[in-house]
Parts: sequence; C-alpha cells; structure tokens
Amino acid sequence: NAGVTQTPKFQVLKTGQSMTLQCAQDMNHNSMYWYRQDPGMGLRLIYYSASEGTTDKGEVPNGYNVSRLNKREFSLRLESAAPSQTSVYFCASSETGLLSYEQYFGPGTRLTVT
Amino acid sequence: AQKITQTQPGMFVQEKEAVTLDCTYDTSDPSYGLFWYKQPSSGEMIFLIYQGSYDQQNATEGRYSLNFQKARKSANLVISASQLGDSAMYFCAMREGVYQGAQKLVFGQGTRLTINP
Repeated sequence: NAGVTQTPKFQVLKTGQSMTLQCAQDMNHNSMYWYRQDPGMGLRLIYYSASEGTTDKGEVPNGYNVSRLNKREFSLRLESAAPSQTSVYFCASSETGLLSYEQYFGPGTRLTVT
Repeated sequence: AQKITQTQPGMFVQEKEAVTLDCTYDTSDPSYGLFWYKQPSSGEMIFLIYQGSYDQQNATEGRYSLNFQKARKSANLVISASQLGDSAMYFCAMREGVYQGAQKLVFGQGTRLTINP
C-alpha cells in the first residue's frame, strides 16, 4: 500500500497563477483533510471531507477550494496564488468509527509563491 | 486564544535519558482527544500516541507514554531511553470536533527535540 500520496512534491508559482494539488489514498478511508504548515508553526486545517460528496471549511479556508473527486481523491485548488500561501501542504486521511483513529499524512507539497 | 500550547520551542537531551515534552490544552468540550505526532527532518508526520478524555489510564506505546492530567489540562509526552533517531519536531494536537466521522485537529507549534550522543 502506498498510503497517502501527493503531487507535486515541489511547486513554484507566480502571484496570480492557479494550480491544483492532488492527493490520493489507498486505505479506503472515508475522511480526508488538507493542512498547511508555515515555517516554525504547527499544521492548520484548510478543508476537510467527511465522506465522498461532502466538504467543509477548516480553520483557514480563504483563498482555497477543494474537490472530493471520489473516495480515493481529494484535491486542493489555489485560484489566484498569493505570497501568503507559501507553505508546505499536507493531505491526510482517516477511518471513521473509533475516535482514537489517527490521521495518516502524505509526504507534503512545498509551495513557493513569488 | 491558543487551544494547544507547547511552551518548549527546543529541548536538548543526552542519549538514553528520558525526556518530557509539555503540552497544555484549552477546551470546554467534555469529549476530546489528544494526539502526539513526530516530524523528522524529512518532513513526514508520524503518529505516536492517543489519549481520550474519558480514558481512565494514561496511554502507552512502546517507549512513548502520555502523562495525562485532566484537571491541569495537560498531556505531556514522555519518551523513555531516548535514541538519536528521536531527534525531530514533536507536535501535540487536540481533536476539536467530529463531523460525520471526520476529526478536526488543532495543532500546537511544536517542540524541536535534539538528542545528543
């Protein structure tokens, strides 16, 4: 099992450009999440999807959109990138059921907006 | 207000010593959960241990244990017999809510642990 995969690993954008970060999981998890990690800080939740067909805002959703394409895939789109969106983006997934289930994280996408 | 506070930006410990990483949290929800994750320099997030608010006993996983003091709202991670490979960032996180099975986590700012040989 690959677990949670993310593409691309690195990306440089100019201000105003758009891009989509891709995430896929092969663990048959219902729930998926997008976080951002700024230098020296913890992760902050951008959007999450409890199940296929549903999405909801997290702590810092402004400037982002998401699509839960199917049970496996959850993408994050930046419509008009800004330097403040320079960050490392992590996708995660988790089972539903027991509250003790941890979230499994992808390797991250390092995004720089100039 | 910060919901998760990790007051130690960095810690330096000799190999084989035990180390305690501090975490305090703030919530009015009687049902919550606390997680610890490790982030090595390679960047991935590795789950270490979980403690539920109703769990009677402190959680343990191998060399990791969680010192859960509910009245003080603290959930400190204890690593016994530290190893060089324990050098990493450590994040405390709290489940803020559950929506149809999805868990919304709030993370602290992390503690960078360095193990010296």
